[in-house]
Amino acid sequence: AQSVTQPDIHITVSEGASLELRCNYSYGATPYLFWYVQSPGQGLQLLLKYFSGDTLVQGIKGFEAEFKRSQSSFNLRKPSVHWSDAAEYFCAVVPSGGYQKVTFGTGTKLQVIP
Amino acid sequence: NAGVTQTPKFRVLKTGQSMTLLCAQDMNHEYMYWYRQDPGMGLRLIHYSVGEGTTAKGEVPDGYNVSRLKKQNFLLGLESAAPSQTSVYFCASTPTGAYGYTFGSGTRLTVV
Repeated sequence: AQSVTQPDIHITVSEGASLELRCNYSYGATPYLFWYVQSPGQGLQLLLKYFSGDTLVQGIKGFEAEFKRSQSSFNLRKPSVHWSDAAEYFCAVVPSGGYQKVTFGTGTKLQVIP
Repeated sequence: NAGVTQTPKFRVLKTGQSMTLLCAQDMNHEYMYWYRQDPGMGLRLIHYSVGEGTTAKGEVPDGYNVSRLKKQNFLLGLESAAPSQTSVYFCASTPTGAYGYTFGSGTRLTVV
């Protein structure tokens, strides 16, 4: 069965510092990959997605993610974090070629300190 | 364009009571989903629908029922609420799984 692992439950970074959130997946073929962000009291918002092609994908709010097939990873990055980026981030996987239900990671909570 | 709307936003139930959560989307999406979110457990799929008139079980369906009589609406029912069903419930929709989901803002349910 497919699975998604976000090894960091909680991360603290200083405002202006760079950020990398880790995501590893387990699946036989390359799936569709997503990152979502959830602000407190809100639903999840799609940040970016990878289907195929260029392994570096750009998303909203200045985020990017890099797909590395050899490492089964899809890490989220941002060069300079803003206080408003404090939220919980979820990696998600969908088997390619279908509508199948998404498997979500357990999330990484980001704290931004001044 | 409202996207995905969930009602109610908050609810407190007594054990054994019933209720229905409503999810409405105005994007003509085929697929709709109900998730529950609990601390440290991420999102777990309760039920989903791949089109009007269809429903299917997710990974935690027990104690819940759903209906999708109209394409734009997906209802989640609790027939006899239990404290273990205290959670935040999210509805989501998508034209296909490849496009990512649009989520509602959630329903916070407490069962006492």
